[in-house]
Formats: sequence, C-alpha cells, structure tokens
Amino acid sequence: DGGITQSPKYLFRKEGQNVTLSCEQNLNHDAMYWYRQDPGQGLRLIYYSQIVNDFQKGDIAEGYSVSREKKESFPLTVTSAQKNPTAFYLCASSPGQGLTEAFFGQGTRLTVV
Amino acid sequence: AQSVTQLGSHVSVSEGALVLLRCNYSSSVPPYLFWYVQYPNQGLQLLLKYTTGATLVKGINGFEAEFKKSETSFHLTKPSAHMSDAAEYFCAVSANSGGYQKVTFGIGTKLQVIP
Repeated sequence: DGGITQSPKYLFRKEGQNVTLSCEQNLNHDAMYWYRQDPGQGLRLIYYSQIVNDFQKGDIAEGYSVSREKKESFPLTVTSAQKNPTAFYLCASSPGQGLTEAFFGQGTRLTVV
Repeated sequence: AQSVTQLGSHVSVSEGALVLLRCNYSSSVPPYLFWYVQYPNQGLQLLLKYTTGATLVKGINGFEAEFKKSETSFHLTKPSAHMSDAAEYFCAVSANSGGYQKVTFGIGTKLQVIP
C-alpha cells in the first residue's frame, strides 16, 4: 500500500541531544513537508522540499535541519538549539504539481526531558 | 499572503444534531480549500476539498462544505452527528506562492459529541 511512514511513533530524548525523525513515502511525490503541532496552534510549517537535493525554510525553521538526498526520504533533525522541542511532528507529501491535497504520516510525538 | 480563521476552538453537539464548523479564509489568488480530520495521536486525513466548479462539495463520512466567495467562507457541515465524529478538524487554504504550493492551516476545532 502506498503511503507515508513516520518513525518512531513516540520518542524520548534528554535535553541537549540532537534527534532525527524519519519520514519515508512510496507515493512517488515530489514535494514533502514537515509540520509541528502544538495544542491550540494548529500546524506550523518547519521545512519543505519540492525536489530532491533542494529544501526551503518554513515559518519556524530555527533549531531544525533537514536533508532530501532521495525522493522517498525527508528526515528531520531536531537540534539542541531548538528551545522547546517537545511537540507532535507531522510529515506530509504532495505530488508537487498544481494545487493538491497533502498526504500525512501518522506523526511522531517527541518528548524532551 | 493567505490566512485561515476557524471560529471556535471547541464545539460540542449532541448526537444526532447538526454539526457546523466555521472557516473563513483570505487569499490574494484563487485558493483551493480543504478540510482535514485528525483523531488523537494520528495524522491528518482529507475530508473534502474545493478546487473549482461546484461550490458545494461532499466528502467522506457524510460531511459537506460550501465555498462562498463573497463571504470568504468554507464552513463544514454534517446533518446528524455521530459519536465517531468526535475529533479535531482543520481547515486549510492552498495557493501558489512563488511557484511553490503554500498550504496554511487553521488552528483547528475540536468537536465533542455528547450522547
């Protein structure tokens, strides 16, 4: 079945450590996105990528980094520079041509202690 | 620039009652509009979308929404609420911005269904 897989579903890390969240899609989509979700704030865009080896900052990129070495994969690293990393992280993809809906993964809940 | 306003972060309805979730948008170019549903600790699932053509769009699970350009609204309705409709609902607007599809989400509305 085609879809987007995020792993792990739950992640715990100590403060000051970098952590990488995985996002893989087999939908053959060009565009991929990372969102952060906090209660009462909706979804905020962290980074997006329209094509392999290219990505742009979203609205809240500080303290995060990404790579897009393969079409299928768009990992997100939460660095120690991110002041408040505990949140629910959602990865999404879309065909990238025209205006279409985004397809979402099941999310990763990151808790930093 | 584009934005989405969802009126009411929490809405409660009785089982069997009408569901109305409000969404207003702003966009400098003709937008595409979406409603997504999210169940706890899960990703978002598309309920319905408006692109062009008919302004009343039907989605999954008996939901529908009407695009009203004059009111810049895209309210979500369902005639009769079911317990399984309890979830969080997000309105989103999508428009081309510098060759990139920019999607902006509202803050979400949590729907509670009372038995």
